[in-house]
Amino acid sequence: DSGVTQTPKHLITATGQRVTLRCSPRSGDLSVYWYQQSLDQGLQFLIQYYNGEERAKGNILERFSAQQFPDLHSELNLSSLELGDSALYFCASSVEGASGELFFGEGSRLTVL
Amino acid sequence: GQQVMQIPQYQHVQEGEDFTTYCNSSTTLSNIQWYKQRPGGHPVFLIQLVKSGEVKKQKRLTFQFGEAKKNSSLHITATQTTDVGTYFCAGRRSGGYQKVTFGTGTKLQVIP
Repeated sequence: DSGVTQTPKHLITATGQRVTLRCSPRSGDLSVYWYQQSLDQGLQFLIQYYNGEERAKGNILERFSAQQFPDLHSELNLSSLELGDSALYFCASSVEGASGELFFGEGSRLTVL
Repeated sequence: GQQVMQIPQYQHVQEGEDFTTYCNSSTTLSNIQWYKQRPGGHPVFLIQLVKSGEVKKQKRLTFQFGEAKKNSSLHITATQTTDVGTYFCAGRRSGGYQKVTFGTGTKLQVIP
C-alpha cells in the first residue's frame, strides 16, 4: 500500500461526458502528479501540483483540467470525452516538488464507450 | 521537449538468464529514477541515482548512471519469474524545477 488513494477505481462512461478523478496523496506529501497510461503504453505526464500551485504541465489536453485543494487532495477533470481518452490514470505524490521518489496510487481505469 | 527512450521495448528471457534495459535522455538529467510495474499494477519506485557515473546494487539488480548524466541502465542477474513486469526509468532535466519524464519502458517476460 503506497498510501496514495485514487477513486474511482473503475469508471465506464459515454463519449461527450465529463468525469472527475480524485486523488488523496500520502500524508505529508505536498506534491501531486497525474499520469495517463494507455493500454500497454508508457506513462504520459499530464500535470503536477505542489502545495496547491501548478508546478509543471505536460501534454495535457485543453479538455482536461486539474487542481489541488488546500487539504492537498487533487482532482483531474476530463470533459467532452472521446474514445481515445480510455486509459489508466495514475496519481502519484512525493514529499517535495523537485526531487524524491514518486508514490503511485492504484490508478483509475476509465473506459469511454 | 525532453524525450526519454528505453531499449529494448520487449525482452523475453529464460529464467536464470541476465537482462539489461537501457535508458537514454535527450537532455542532461539532474537525477534518474527506476520503477517497476507488475502486470495489472502500479509503478513502484526501485531506486534513484544522482551522481555522474553512480552505480548502485540491490541484490540481483545493478543500476548505473552515465558519466554525462544522459543515460542509465538496469541489469538483472539470473532473472526469476518474480522479475516479470515493465521497467521504467524516469528523469528530471537539470536546471531549475523540472517535471519527471518517464521512459518508454521495457517489458520483461521470464520463461520458467
